[in-house]
Amino acid sequence: GAVVSQHPSWVICKSGTSVKIECRSLDFQATTMFWYRQFPKQSLMLMATSNEGSKATYEQGVEKDKFLINHASLTLSTLTVTSAHPEDSSFYICSARRGPRETQYFGPGTRLLVL
Amino acid sequence: AQSVAQPEDQVNVAEGNPLTVKCTYSVSGNPYLFWYVQYPNRGLQFLLKYITGDNLVKGSYGFEAEFNKSQTSFHLKKPSALVSDSALYFCAVRAVSGNTGKLIFGQGTTLQVKP
Repeated sequence: GAVVSQHPSWVICKSGTSVKIECRSLDFQATTMFWYRQFPKQSLMLMATSNEGSKATYEQGVEKDKFLINHASLTLSTLTVTSAHPEDSSFYICSARRGPRETQYFGPGTRLLVL
Repeated sequence: AQSVAQPEDQVNVAEGNPLTVKCTYSVSGNPYLFWYVQYPNRGLQFLLKYITGDNLVKGSYGFEAEFNKSQTSFHLKKPSALVSDSALYFCAVRAVSGNTGKLIFGQGTTLQVKP
């Protein structure tokens, strides 16, 4: 199967700082990447869909100025949580796929704790 | 509206017994259906998918799923459960509207396999 990595795997930061999370497809080119948020023992909540070279499409209720997404290449997408607050603490998971009919493969997730 | 339902929050089974994790869906047109597994503090691992063809789909780790169009179901099964199968399982359907092809997830089912 295809491999997707995320970095960092966990991060602790102070309230008001910005945090960048990287998502990489290691052995395939991903035309589309997705960013999810997951609360404990809950399902995944899609935050945004990111296509290489174009602006991300955000789901309703997700603040695009708060969660900046960049998909600069076919193997890298980044999520920046700007001016993080404790309520942003969560488990963030990315996924990637080669094309619209292809399987989505998920990264291992990033645990964010904002103090 | 497209949706996925996993009616059981938790399924308990003894090691060596067969297991079933239920999933029903609602989607317009032909569905693409997926099963993923999530271990604690990890991302999702792809198990199997149904796109077209044979209704019985075989996947990773001995899992299989049966697509039933009349019952709009895609239940996950395994003939003999292992303690290591204990995890959180997600069923997902791909939305066919638009070009994003984003996944819609069920709420997840925790599988507990006891020795």
